[in-house]
Amino acid sequence: EIVLTQSPGTLSLSPGERATLSCRASQNIHSNYLAWYQQKPGQAPRLLIYGVSTRATGIPDRFSGGGSGTDFTFIISRLEPEDSAVYYCEQYGQSPNTFGQGTKLEIK
Amino acid sequence: QVQLAQSGAEVKKPGASVRVSCKASGYMFVSYYIHWVRQGPGQGLEWMGVINPSGGSTDLAQSFRGRVTMISDTSTGTVYMDLSGLTFEDTAVYFCARGGQWIQSPVDYWGQGTLVTVSS
Repeated sequence: EIVLTQSPGTLSLSPGERATLSCRASQNIHSNYLAWYQQKPGQAPRLLIYGVSTRATGIPDRFSGGGSGTDFTFIISRLEPEDSAVYYCEQYGQSPNTFGQGTKLEIK
Repeated sequence: QVQLAQSGAEVKKPGASVRVSCKASGYMFVSYYIHWVRQGPGQGLEWMGVINPSGGSTDLAQSFRGRVTMISDTSTGTVYMDLSGLTFEDTAVYFCARGGQWIQSPVDYWGQGTLVTVSS
């Protein structure tokens, strides 16, 4: 099984700043099948990015993803208060699908 | 619009079984995989498995094989997830989520979640 390790565990930034989240895989991700999700308290996750860098429908271009192989990055430029959430990476290229443990983003 | 409506919260005793349903609407039910993901209290997301609603084939995470059954009812557009041999560690919110038209796809729509509490 592919283990995904996210860092940092918690990130505290101010509105307007840039957030950079990391997701490292224990082995290469097949065909770049990596996604990022946002989850707010009491809600289901929401798909933000798939295929490493493709934004899901309706996701603003403040959100971007990149990387390849085993190292992936998720960036939120120009943070807004509503970006406060937990962010998860997921690989869906090899069964079992696996999620990272999450990065909690706090907006000061 | 795509919607996944899950059944209500459940409280079960250790050793019991639970069934969670997920009724899909707003799209062609048989054309998209349905995944199940659970989240323990204050925990992250755990993938349980996936079902192809057309035909009912499944792929389950190793830790759930033998305890989880996923069933598709094409007449009602509903997928069921049965979990047996419940322990306190199975207390979690269980989500169904729509995947793509092939098994290796992200999930783009999620149900509202069903809280399953295992308590003696």
